Amino acid sequence: SAVISQKPSRDICQRGTSLTIQCQVDSQVTMMFWYRQQPGQSLTLIATANQGSEATYESGFVIDKFPISRPNLTFSTLTVSNMSPEDSSIYLCSVEDRHRGSSGANVLTFGAGSRLTVL
Amino acid sequence: GDSVTQMEGPVTLSEEAFLTINCTYTATGYPSLFWYVQYPGEGLQLLLKATKADDKGSNKGFEATYRKETTSFHLEKGSVQVSDSAVYFCALRGNQGGKLIFGQGTELSVKP
Repeated sequence: SAVISQKPSRDICQRGTSLTIQCQVDSQVTMMFWYRQQPGQSLTLIATANQGSEATYESGFVIDKFPISRPNLTFSTLTVSNMSPEDSSIYLCSVEDRHRGSSGANVLTFGAGSRLTVL
Repeated sequence: GDSVTQMEGPVTLSEEAFLTINCTYTATGYPSLFWYVQYPGEGLQLLLKATKADDKGSNKGFEATYRKETTSFHLEKGSVQVSDSAVYFCALRGNQGGKLIFGQGTELSVKP
C-alpha cells in the first residue's frame, strides 16, 4: 500500500501566523485529499487536490484560508493561513490507494497527521 | 447528502467481552463501507471494508456485514482485548469514488 509522509508531525504556532504542511507519497496518485480532525471530533474533508488543476474545496472551507498546492503526482501542501486557536487540529493527507483496490473499493490511505496547536 | 451515524461513545468493556459498535448510513446508490481505527497517538488505519450488499469485511477478529436492507454496517468482535482500545470510525465512499464520509467516531476503552 501507499506510504504517506507528512511534515511537520506537530507544531505549536502563534495566532496570526501561517503554516504549511507537506504530504509526500511514495507512488504516483491522481487524487489527494486533505482532512481536518478537530479535538475529539471526526474527520472533515477540507479539499480534494488533483494534479494540474485547482483544488476543490468543501462547504465551509475557502482557498484564502487553506491554499493547496499540487505540483506533481506524489506531493501536495496545505497551508493554514492567519491561524487562530480554532484552527488547532490534526490535519491529515489521504490518497486513493489502488494497490488495495482488488475488491473494487479503492481504499483511502492516510498519513499520520500533523497536529497543530495555535496559541 | 450522504451521511454516516455511529453510536456515541465512550464504550467501556472488560477484556474478553463482546463488542458491537452500531453504524448506519444514508447514501444514494451502492456505496462502499469502511471501518477505520485510530489508536492513541497514531494515524488512521483501515480496519476492514465491504463493497456490496451482504459482503462481510473482517480483520484482526473484527467483522462487519454490509446490510443494505437496514443500511447498516455494525462492527463486532467476539472477545476484545486491552490493545483494542482506540477510536473507531465508520465511513462510506460513493460508487463514483470521491471523498470518504466519516461518522463521528466511537471511543472504545477495554479494561483488564
